[in-house]
Amino acid sequence: DVKVTQSSRYLVKRTGEKVFLECVQDMDHENMFWYRQDPGLGLRLIYFSYDVKMKEKGDIPEGYSVSREKKERFSLILESASTNQTSMYLCASSLTGEVYEQYFGPGTRLTVT
Amino acid sequence: AQSVTQLGSHVSVSEGALVLLRCNYSSSVPPYLFWYVQYPNQGLQLLLKYTSAATLVKGINGFEAEFKKSETSFHLTKPSAHMSDAAEYFCAVSDTGNNRLAFGKGNQVVVIP
Repeated sequence: DVKVTQSSRYLVKRTGEKVFLECVQDMDHENMFWYRQDPGLGLRLIYFSYDVKMKEKGDIPEGYSVSREKKERFSLILESASTNQTSMYLCASSLTGEVYEQYFGPGTRLTVT
Repeated sequence: AQSVTQLGSHVSVSEGALVLLRCNYSSSVPPYLFWYVQYPNQGLQLLLKYTSAATLVKGINGFEAEFKKSETSFHLTKPSAHMSDAAEYFCAVSDTGNNRLAFGKGNQVVVIP
């Protein structure tokens, strides 16, 4: 079974803090994704990566950055957390090709106070 | 870019009744389509996917979906709802050429005893 793990299930941070969310997958997938999920808005893509050190902006990249130094690990960074970044963050991975589904981690519920 | 429409953010269904969740897509090429389920405080889990092998696709937990090209639809059904089906359901379509998925806004299903 593919397993995607996220470093924290729940996280509380203060405004202005630098926040790191970590995601690890164990199936050698080329592609990794970061989404945020908000009520009524569904899933919105923040960034994705199709290879080590490669990244592309998604639909809402402002205020976020990412890092992929190893194939299995994809990090989401909030340089200076703000209250409007309070959300559920979901990581996913997939093989390359449109036929392949994405596998999701359990999510990190981040609260910025 | 491909897109998905799911109408009705909240769907109530009586236990034992038919579950029907509608999904319409727009795609300039033959699509690959997916239904995911999200239980409370968890990540998304694949229910089923359409990859052009058969128009009626069977998934996990008794769900199935039918691809209808003429209607650009991929509606999800289950003949008899269980309490355990209470969850949020997302339809998604592969975006051409970039390994992304375009998600609908989701349907929150409530099962009434």
